[in-house]
Amino acid sequence: RKEVEQDPGPFNVPEGATVAFNCTYSNSASQSFFWYRQDCRKEPKLLMSVYSSGNEDGRFTAQLNRASQYISLLIRDSKLSDSATYLCVVNKGDYKLSFGAGTTVTVRA
Amino acid sequence: NAGVTQTPKFRILKIGQSMTLQCTQDMNHNYMYWYRQDPGMGLKLIYYSVGAGITDKGEVPNGYNVSRSTTEDFPLRLELAAPSQTSVYFCASSYSEATGGYTFGSGTRLTVV
Repeated sequence: RKEVEQDPGPFNVPEGATVAFNCTYSNSASQSFFWYRQDCRKEPKLLMSVYSSGNEDGRFTAQLNRASQYISLLIRDSKLSDSATYLCVVNKGDYKLSFGAGTTVTVRA
Repeated sequence: NAGVTQTPKFRILKIGQSMTLQCTQDMNHNYMYWYRQDPGMGLKLIYYSVGAGITDKGEVPNGYNVSRSTTEDFPLRLELAAPSQTSVYFCASSYSEATGGYTFGSGTRLTVV
């Protein structure tokens, strides 16, 4: 079983729509969680950390469910510029991050 | 502030050749990492370093070597290149192990033919 699994998508949504997707992680000892964004042929960039209580950053909302071992990301009022691949990232506390393969989101005009 | 700088951006190697991918960061980060990314796959950790003079293997170290003689530099060496090493290579750094705020370089696209 992969450490971090994501629905690859693509999620194809119109501008202004809400899109949400999850990722699951296998190691219950995982300590911290993140969403990264990766544009086509670019490097990943940190989008936001995911806290146990859930957190928002503008139009982005992240949730963590430790009991079911999944993380979610919701994007409200989608913009064309939100088109990217979103990487779910998990830290087991051993200096290293584990990356999911990514969920591709395409926002159309 | 340059962040993490990787060179070269692109390279084509012939089977059996060797090369060094350069990575330099100017943020005084202790932690540095090399990942490879294959199409449709998550980033796989090749090697990492928690400080100058200290390196350790990640998930996929075979065929690679690293060194960390200074805080700034973390080169990745490919010996005897193989087609399976065709990939995009990313170097990253972070201030501490507790943070997920990695800063990545822009990547090196390597093709082995």
